[in-house]
Amino acid sequence: LAKTTQPISMDSYEGQEVNITCSHNNIATNDYITWYQQFPSQGPRFIIQGYKTKVTNEVASLFIPADRKSSTLSLPRVSLSDTAVYYCLVGDKGYGGSQGNLIFGKGTKLSVKP
Amino acid sequence: DTGVSQNPRHKITKRGQNVTFRCDPISEHNRLYWYRQTLGQGPEFLTYFQNEAQLEKSRLLSDRFSAERPKGSFSTLEIQRTEQGDSAMYLCASSLGRGQGTYEQYFGPGTRLTVT
Repeated sequence: LAKTTQPISMDSYEGQEVNITCSHNNIATNDYITWYQQFPSQGPRFIIQGYKTKVTNEVASLFIPADRKSSTLSLPRVSLSDTAVYYCLVGDKGYGGSQGNLIFGKGTKLSVKP
Repeated sequence: DTGVSQNPRHKITKRGQNVTFRCDPISEHNRLYWYRQTLGQGPEFLTYFQNEAQLEKSRLLSDRFSAERPKGSFSTLEIQRTEQGDSAMYLCASSLGRGQGTYEQYFGPGTRLTVT
């Protein structure tokens, strides 16, 4: 099974750029890397998804090196409201063309301070 | 609000009882997922449907758990003979399938189960 490893926690200050790295050594060829954000007592919320190189949207950037064994979520100029748990998701292929078991990492708890 | 709804939001039951949860996905989404999450842990995959077909079930899932998605619309998750270890948040998510390997999922608010 493709497993992921992330730092357990990170601290930052408002206005700083935050980079969270996820390791996924056994990622499958067709798998995408997806990041989610979760606030307490809520379901995870999709942030960004990518396959290789760099992806950017209105809230974050995702950097994926050529070997795809890791990925880095970059949050520009964080605010207090970015305090949350961030999960890296990599799919593991199952049989019959299904998506297989989807495995969330343990997550990184980001604390943004004023 | 992501458009995915779950009912009930909270459920307290006694050990040994059966419980059933419902998930209503975003209407045009053909894929539906169930997860379980305990405090301080990431969501744990339970099962996945594409339309009405249950395509994947976690090897960790006990036989006491069963899920259905009749007609490819809403889904139910049933836990039989609940145990205290089943206490968790049960999350449902849906997505619009665009081929294998794409996982942009929209999560519901979850059902919190407490087994006493």
